[in-house]
Amino acid sequence: SQQGEEDPQALSIQEGENATMNCSYKTSINNLQWYRQNSGRGLVHLILIRSNEREKHSGRLRVTLDTSKKSSSLLITASRAADTASYFCATDVGRNTPLVFGKGTRLSVIA
Amino acid sequence: DTEVTQTPKHLVMGMTNKKSLKCEQHMGHRAMYWYKQKAKKPPELMFVYSYEKLSINESVPSRFSPECPNSSLLNLHLHALQPEDSALYLCASSQASPTYNEQFFGPGTRLTVL
Repeated sequence: SQQGEEDPQALSIQEGENATMNCSYKTSINNLQWYRQNSGRGLVHLILIRSNEREKHSGRLRVTLDTSKKSSSLLITASRAADTASYFCATDVGRNTPLVFGKGTRLSVIA
Repeated sequence: DTEVTQTPKHLVMGMTNKKSLKCEQHMGHRAMYWYKQKAKKPPELMFVYSYEKLSINESVPSRFSPECPNSSLLNLHLHALQPEDSALYLCASSQASPTYNEQFFGPGTRLTVL
């Protein structure tokens, strides 16, 4: 299975701190994406990084990808209480192939 | 319009009932998906439609029957479900593009099977 494995499973931080989540996967990929899910709601796409990219930024988000280690990290800087959610990485192996989601990290940001 | 809508938001049904979940998008996306998500678990892919044709069926029991009437609509027909089918059912859509696979998700239908 190419399913990603996030760690940590749960993370609790104070508002203003940075949060780092990691994702590892097992097979070669085409794209890796990060999604956020608020409790019991749909997923929201955060960022996509292609297999030939190493780093990408979007606002307070920074994603890195190390294909040699088959791993990615998501950094959220200056966290806010509104960032409290579950974060999933998802990978695909090519054109029109389905996403496979990792197990997710539950982030709690305490005000 | 960058929204995927799903109805109903909540559904409670008995094991002998027949019900349908509905999903709609108006982003011109040609790929649509059904996922099942249990509590504290990642979404699991059930079906993929590409250009209104079923392209992936992840060995889902026949009590789940997908339908794609047109490029904007996706239904999931439910019949004779089991209590273990209780979950959040998520619909998503994406461009059927060779290089871009961002998926847009609806808010989900919370299904309870009694």
